Amino acid sequence: DQQVKQNSPSLSVQEGRISILNCDYTNSMFDYFLWYKKYPAEGPTFLISISSIKDKNEDGRFTVFLNKSAKHLSLHIVPSQPGDSAVYFCAAVSSGSARQLTFGSGTQLTVLP
Amino acid sequence: DAGVIQSPRHEVTEMGQEVTLRCKPISGHDYLFWYRQTMMRGLELLIYFNNNVPIDDSGMPEDRFSAKMPNASFSTLKIQPSEPRDSAVYFCASAPRGDTEAFFGQGTRLTVV
Repeated sequence: DQQVKQNSPSLSVQEGRISILNCDYTNSMFDYFLWYKKYPAEGPTFLISISSIKDKNEDGRFTVFLNKSAKHLSLHIVPSQPGDSAVYFCAAVSSGSARQLTFGSGTQLTVLP
Repeated sequence: DAGVIQSPRHEVTEMGQEVTLRCKPISGHDYLFWYRQTMMRGLELLIYFNNNVPIDDSGMPEDRFSAKMPNASFSTLKIQPSEPRDSAVYFCASAPRGDTEAFFGQGTRLTVV
């Protein structure tokens, strides 16, 4: 059973517009969430994170929102740029499980010029 | 630091052969993780080490898989005997103590024919 779900395998957005990537989780023990970005033939790279005590974290063009009651988080990228085209993975961890990240299946974002 | 270094980048082997994947974590990182990425299951954690000691290997699919970390700067993931269904990209990642964000290597693409 997938504890972290990314239901959209792909998303296409026009350059300059907002990209919204969604992630749902089922394990209520998760208390820290991360987004990773992955380019082809490279490993995932950390992008942004959020603790369960917050509902928003912003870093430049990237903002992550957390809705604990809905067990839902989203990553907003604005404005989107062609270089943002990559696979985005949502990941979650519970403080009781040390460093075990549970990943979603990823969403391929394509930003069209 | 050069980041997490994995070798080889690509491996093609015949079914039944032994395969050894190698990883050099970032110096000073206490945690080392082995992940596998497949189309069906996304990124899944196989095993992780803390200070060279295996902590959780519940993600290792079967006894054909084994992992070692003889010292702080080297780890191996071995598959013996290999099967076509083991074909995937295998990632090694490391993390410093106190941080949740893991740093990934570029991965080893394994093809078992």
